[in-house]
Amino acid sequence: QVQLVQSGAEVKKPGASVKVSCKASGYTFTTYDINWVRQATGQGLEWMGWMNPNSGNTGYAQKFQGRVTMTRNTSISTAYMELSSLRSEDTAIYYCARGSRSFDYWGQGTLVTVSS
Amino acid sequence: DIQMTQSPSSVSASVGDRVTITCRASQGISSWLAWYHHKPGKAPKLLIYAASSLQSGVPSRFSGSGSGTDFTLTISSLQPEDFATYYCQQATSFPRTFGQGTKVEIK
Repeated sequence: QVQLVQSGAEVKKPGASVKVSCKASGYTFTTYDINWVRQATGQGLEWMGWMNPNSGNTGYAQKFQGRVTMTRNTSISTAYMELSSLRSEDTAIYYCARGSRSFDYWGQGTLVTVSS
Repeated sequence: DIQMTQSPSSVSASVGDRVTITCRASQGISSWLAWYHHKPGKAPKLLIYAASSLQSGVPSRFSGSGSGTDFTLTISSLQPEDFATYYCQQATSFPRTFGQGTKVEIK
């Protein structure tokens, strides 16, 4: 069965970076895009960007341009999302999600807390 | 960016009720719209894609309709597990954008 399993919760100080992983299983990793979506406390879902695991091509929401980097390691079917220059407003649950237009499988979410 | 606006923001309903949620796009998106169900502490779940196609494994009480700028999600007979927040998402252009959510609460 298809699964996306994310890394565990993180606590970071303002200005630091965080790297969240998303390990895929149950399908061929390179055949579906991976997207990253976040939800801040009490807020809705916010799309951050996408990556094609086959080519490594990426596309980021303008809001995160310059701060986010999405990469992958195809040998271990894992996608990564790194967010730098963290601020308190980046405190959120971060999800990876499979798909190009709609997202049919999601990771369980990774809570990133930014606090001094 | 395409703005997605859902209404209502919240709705109180009882088990067995019919519930309708609407989603309006700030510009035409053809049928490139998805609906998700989201409960706290869980991953969002895809219900409907391409405006009206039921995702595999999703109960038939969920249905979607619309094209262009106006879309609807209908739950024909609300079940206890359906109390959650629902989001629409446009899939026609980047950045992908979500509606602000509609919370379905127990009356």
